[in-house]
Amino acid sequence: AQTVTQSQPEMSVQEAETVTLSCTYDTSENNYYLFWYKQPPSRQMILVIRQEAYKQQNATENRFSVNFQKAAKSFSLKISDSQLGDTAMYFCAFMKERNNDMRFGAGTRLTVKP
Amino acid sequence: DTAVSQTPKYLVTQMGNDKSIKCEQNLGHDTMYWYKQDSKKFLKIMFSYNNKELIINETVPNRFSPKSPDKAHLNLHINSLELGDSAVYFCASSQDREFSYEQYFGPGTRLTVT
Repeated sequence: AQTVTQSQPEMSVQEAETVTLSCTYDTSENNYYLFWYKQPPSRQMILVIRQEAYKQQNATENRFSVNFQKAAKSFSLKISDSQLGDTAMYFCAFMKERNNDMRFGAGTRLTVKP
Repeated sequence: DTAVSQTPKYLVTQMGNDKSIKCEQNLGHDTMYWYKQDSKKFLKIMFSYNNKELIINETVPNRFSPKSPDKAHLNLHINSLELGDSAVYFCASSQDREFSYEQYFGPGTRLTVT
C-alpha cells in the first residue's frame, strides 16, 4: 500500500521569506502523480501544484515549486516570498497512474508571520 | 460559478438519526468522490463513482452509502449516526483524462453528532 509521510506537523515562516515543506512516499509503482493541496482556515481544499513521476523537470506555479527526487521518493514544496494568505494546512498526496485512489499525508500546518 | 458544491455546509444531529449530504459538480467530470477528514485533519477516501459504478470502496461501515442519480451528483447517505461519525466530509471530482486528473474539492460539510 502507498503511504505518504509529512514529517513536519507545524512550521512557521516570516512574511517574504522562503519555506520548504517535506513529503516522502512509499511505492513500488513507476508511474504515478504527486500533489500538494492547501487547506486554509476556510476549509476549502485547493490544488497548489502537481507533478507527474515520468517528468524529470520539477513543477513550478508562480511562487510555489517542488523538488521531486524520484529515487529518494521525496516531493518537497518550496514557497517563495511567503505571504500572509499562505497560512494554511498543506497536504501532500499520491495517486497511482490510472487509479483514482488518492492517498494524503497527515498535513503540515504553516503559519506565515508578519 | 461554484465548481463542486455541497449541502449543507454544517449539519448537527443526534445519534441514531439518518442524514444525507448532497454533492454536485458542474465541471463535466467523470468521477466523483467522498472523503472524510477527522479531528486531526487526516483525509481518507471513502468512495468514488465513475459512470455510476463504484470503483473504490474503502473499509467504511455499511451505514454509509453513496448514491449517484446522474454523472453530476454523488450524495452520501448515513444511517444510524454514531458519535464517531463527527467529521468534515468532502466531495470531490476529477476528469480522468491524460494531463487532467487532479481532484477538485467541494467546501466540505461539517457533521456533528451529539
